Amino acid sequence: AQSVTQLDSQVPVFEEAPVELRCNYSSSVSVYLFWYVQYPNQGLQLLLKYLSGSTLVKGINGFEAEFNKSQTSFHLRKPSVHISDTAEYFCAVSDPLNTGFQKLVFGTGTRLLVSP
Amino acid sequence: GAGVSQSPRYKVTKRGQDVTLRCDPISSHATLYWYQQALGQGPEFLTYFNYEAQPDKSGLPSDRFSAERPEGSISTLTIQRTEQRDSAMYRCASSPEAATGELFFGEGSRLTVL
Repeated sequence: AQSVTQLDSQVPVFEEAPVELRCNYSSSVSVYLFWYVQYPNQGLQLLLKYLSGSTLVKGINGFEAEFNKSQTSFHLRKPSVHISDTAEYFCAVSDPLNTGFQKLVFGTGTRLLVSP
Repeated sequence: GAGVSQSPRYKVTKRGQDVTLRCDPISSHATLYWYQQALGQGPEFLTYFNYEAQPDKSGLPSDRFSAERPEGSISTLTIQRTEQRDSAMYRCASSPEAATGELFFGEGSRLTVL
């Protein structure tokens, strides 16, 4: 079965510093990859997605992620974070050929804490 | 509606009681999903609907859990004979096209079983 690993449960960072949130998934021939963000007391919202094509994907709020098939990774990056980026970030994968694209498998989340 | 709406937002119940959670998806969306999120974990897939059809309910933890979407819009998730381990956030999401995996989530219903 597909699985997603987010090794960092919490990442503290100062405002305007760069950040990388790590995500690794179990190998599969074909996967769709996603990053969702959850702000306090809100539902999850899509930050960016990789379905096919360019391995560098740009999302909302200045975030980007790179799909690396050989390392089965989809790390999320931002060159300069803001206080407002404080939130929980979830990496997710679907395996369209095996379990279907409807079933997303989520990681356990990484809490990004941005301080002044 | 403008977004996915879930009710109740919070539900506290006693062990052994039945609970029904409701989800009102974005009106144009054909596909509706239910996820369960335990504290400190990511959401876990329970089931999904395409209109009123329920092609996959493999994630439902036991036969105490059931979901319906009889008219292809509003959905309910019912947990019978609740147990403490059922305590979690239950998240509903909808999508216009199942193929892209972009889900629009509601704020969730937090269930606490005492």
